[in-house]
Amino acid sequence: SQTIHQWPATLVQPVGSPLSLECTVEGTSNPNLYWYRQAAGRGLQLLFYSVGIGQISSEVPQNLSASRPQDRQFILSSKKLLLSDSGFYLCAWSEGLGYTFGSGTRLTVV
Amino acid sequence: TQLLEQSPQFLSIQEGENLTVYCNSSSVFSSLQWYRQEPGEGPVLLVTVVTGGEVKKLKRLTFQFGDARKDSSLHITAAQPGDTGLYLCAGGPWGQGAQKLVFGQGTRLTINP
Repeated sequence: SQTIHQWPATLVQPVGSPLSLECTVEGTSNPNLYWYRQAAGRGLQLLFYSVGIGQISSEVPQNLSASRPQDRQFILSSKKLLLSDSGFYLCAWSEGLGYTFGSGTRLTVV
Repeated sequence: TQLLEQSPQFLSIQEGENLTVYCNSSSVFSSLQWYRQEPGEGPVLLVTVVTGGEVKKLKRLTFQFGDARKDSSLHITAAQPGDTGLYLCAGGPWGQGAQKLVFGQGTRLTINP
């Protein structure tokens, strides 16, 4: 069966520090992968999606970037975090039957 | 820009009551999905509807896609405390290829014992 792993679960980082969040998928090949950010208890905003290795599409101009170095690995990064980068970050994959989400990373920038 | 508006944003009812949550848009979507999310977790897919007028039932939950594929509703019969959570609707394309979903802002449902 397909599973998605996202880590870390929580992260507290100072302003100006770098960021790397990792997401891996098991049990499927060539998945469509997504990064979303969710404001506290609210809807989700699409940040990036990828349909294959090295293929990244950005939906919202921001202080973040994404990379897909392997078929089932999706990474969200930042060189210098801002206070406004705080939020709940969710990785997801799809094969045309709806999304399967990871358990999320709660990022607090202090 | 496609937008999805959910109503109500907050709903608190007693166990055993019925409720309906709405998801509306001025845009047409190929598919409409409903998710339930618990605190600190990722959303979990409940259902996908793709045909205008489609009705799907999942135990005590009934989902309907509007005829014009611009709106959807979620009806819960005899609500239980385990139904508590954030309900999100999402619209987007259907089938292969990237599914860039647009999410509503969510309905926070609390079922009181």
